Amino acid sequence: QTVVTQEPSLTVSPGGTVTLTCASSTEAVTSDFYPSWFQQKPGQAPRALIYSTSNKHSWTPARFSGSLLGGKAALTLSGVQPEDEAEYYCLLHCGGAQAWVFGGGTKLTVL
Amino acid sequence: EVQLVESGGGLVQPGGSLRVSCAASGFIFSSYWMTWVRQVPGKGLEWVANINEDGNVKGYVDSVKGRFTISRDNANNSLYLRMDSLRAEDTAIYYCTRAGGPWAESVYWGQGTLVTVSS
Repeated sequence: QTVVTQEPSLTVSPGGTVTLTCASSTEAVTSDFYPSWFQQKPGQAPRALIYSTSNKHSWTPARFSGSLLGGKAALTLSGVQPEDEAEYYCLLHCGGAQAWVFGGGTKLTVL
Repeated sequence: EVQLVESGGGLVQPGGSLRVSCAASGFIFSSYWMTWVRQVPGKGLEWVANINEDGNVKGYVDSVKGRFTISRDNANNSLYLRMDSLRAEDTAIYYCTRAGGPWAESVYWGQGTLVTVSS
């Protein structure tokens, strides 16, 4: 069973830039994993931000971008705002019988 | 506007069964893959099961295989998750989600329904 790993926590200053990553335990992440990214704030359902590595939804702020970086999926926030403080989850398509796997989440603190 | 409304959660004893439902509106239900995702309160997300547009392709996470069954009723715009042989570790908020298109998993989310497995 594939394990998807994210940084447990990161801290960034307002206006700064931060990159969150998402790794697979089995192999390097490629576009064939169709990486997605989600934001969740306390007491709310998750909200989709990015799909298929780098595609944004109509509601995704321009400061969020997705990419592949060093064998991992990556989510970069540029010009971080206080409202970006949240938990972020990646989701990978790992194929086989267990089609999709979430990462453990990254708690992003804006301080 | 896409709306997904879960229902059917509650308290059930270990070994018991429960069916949670998701009422969908605001889109052509029969045109999209649908998924159940769960979250233990205060913990991370877990992908549970998905089903294709006409219900003949289904996938499950290993921990629920043989115990949970995902199904859909396209005539009534509804998604279901039948849960049997429930365990304490199945306690979670269960979210109904809709794909956004090919390879855009879980783009739209409901607010979830809480399932508690306890004696």
